[in-house]
Amino acid sequence: QQQVKQSPQSLIVQKGGISIINCAYENTAFDYFPWYQQFPGKGPALLIAIRPDVSEKKEGRFTISFNKSAKQFSLHIMDSQPGDSATYFCAASKGSARQLTFGSGTQLTVLP
Amino acid sequence: DADVTQTPRNRITKTGKRIMLECSQTKGHDRMYWYRQDPGLGLRLIYYSFDVKDINKGEISDGYSVSRQAQAKFSLSLESAIPNQTALYFCATSDSGFRDMGLDTQYFGPGTRLTVL
Repeated sequence: QQQVKQSPQSLIVQKGGISIINCAYENTAFDYFPWYQQFPGKGPALLIAIRPDVSEKKEGRFTISFNKSAKQFSLHIMDSQPGDSATYFCAASKGSARQLTFGSGTQLTVLP
Repeated sequence: DADVTQTPRNRITKTGKRIMLECSQTKGHDRMYWYRQDPGLGLRLIYYSFDVKDINKGEISDGYSVSRQAQAKFSLSLESAIPNQTALYFCATSDSGFRDMGLDTQYFGPGTRLTVL
């Protein structure tokens, strides 16, 4: 059972464009929603995270939009750059255990 | 992240062999995790440990075992490897002391690519 569903599986964007990756979750007990970025040959690294008490969080060109009623959250990358080309994973966790449940990943390619 | 190291980085083994993957960290974190990554499935949690004496099964623990030898070391064993355990394996760490500050970041190692023939 996939508790966090991520789409699209792959995304190609022109340099300067906006990249949008979407995730939906089922478990309403989730209370922490991070996005991880993974470059080839590397481990994932935290990019940005949000808690359900806010609807949006922005860090530089990266923004998380969170819709609690729809149980959806998305990552927006503004002014996408070739260096943003990577695999992006959404995730969710709950409680003190903080076990992360990951989405299936989106491979982003930003064309120069 | 150089603070989390994994050995070996690549391993090819045969069905039925016992294999151990090792993880070491210099971040001083108390929590450690083992994940496997498969194409189209994301990362799935195998085992996690909150301290040396606290080890817990994750989503897909069958066929795996772990040992937390010290706060800084967490190893994953496949007692009898099978081909569907071919995957990319990641170790991660986090600090429970930062949880209440909202800093729940997990720091991942570079991964071990395991192939079981």
